[in-house]
Amino acid sequence: GNSVTQMEGPVTLSEEAFLTINCTYTATGYPSLFWYVQYPGEGLQLLLKATKADDKGSNKGFEATYRKETTSFHLEKGSVQVSDSAVYFCALSDQGGSEKLVFGKGTKLTVNP
Amino acid sequence: GAGVSQSPSNKVTEKGKDVELRCDPISGHTALYWYRQSLGQGLEFLIYFQGNSAPDKSGLPSDRFSAERTGGSVSTLTIQRTQQEDSAVYLCASRRGGGLNTGELFFGEGSRLTVL
Repeated sequence: GNSVTQMEGPVTLSEEAFLTINCTYTATGYPSLFWYVQYPGEGLQLLLKATKADDKGSNKGFEATYRKETTSFHLEKGSVQVSDSAVYFCALSDQGGSEKLVFGKGTKLTVNP
Repeated sequence: GAGVSQSPSNKVTEKGKDVELRCDPISGHTALYWYRQSLGQGLEFLIYFQGNSAPDKSGLPSDRFSAERTGGSVSTLTIQRTQQEDSAVYLCASRRGGGLNTGELFFGEGSRLTVL
C-alpha cells in the first residue's frame, strides 16, 4: 500500500542554519504530496503542497520539490528561525479511491537561538 | 466556528469504559476525517465522511470503534470497552468539497485519551 517515510528526529539546529528533512514515498499512480506542520499546542496545518512531478511547493521560506524519479519530497529552508520549532509531517494523497492523506511519522525540529 | 473544534480536549477513563469524542467541523465543509496520533506512530487514518456517509472506514482498528456524522456537520467517535492501547490523541479534520488536490485539510487540536 501507499506509505511515507521521513527521516527520524529529533533535529536540533541553531538559528540561521540550513534545514533539510528527508521524505520518500511509495505509491501507485501519481499522488499529490504535502508537508504539514504542528506548532506546540496547535493543530496540524498545511505548510505546502505539490500536485505533479517537478512541481515545487513553497511557503514561509520552506520549499519542497516533487521528484518522481527518486520518489522524494524533501523539505528545505535556507535559514531557520526559533519560531520554526515544530513537528513536520510529510503526507501523500491516497489514490486508491479514498480521499484520505497518508502521513509519515513526523520529524520534531528544535531551533535554538 | 472559526476552526475545527474538538471536545473534550483531555479524557482520562478506566479500562472497560466507553468514551465519546466530538468533532465540530468548519461550517460548510463536507468532508470530515478522524485520525489517531500515537507516540512514535505518526498519524493513523481511522475514518472518512463525505456528508453523512462514510465511504472509507478501513482504518477503524476493531469493532469497538465506531463513528457517525449527523446533519453533515458534527461527528462523534465512540470507543467501547476501552483498552490501554487506545490511549492516544484523536484528531479530527475537515475539508471543503473538491478533492484533496484542491482542498486543504483543517485539523482540530485533538482529544487526548488516557486509558488507565
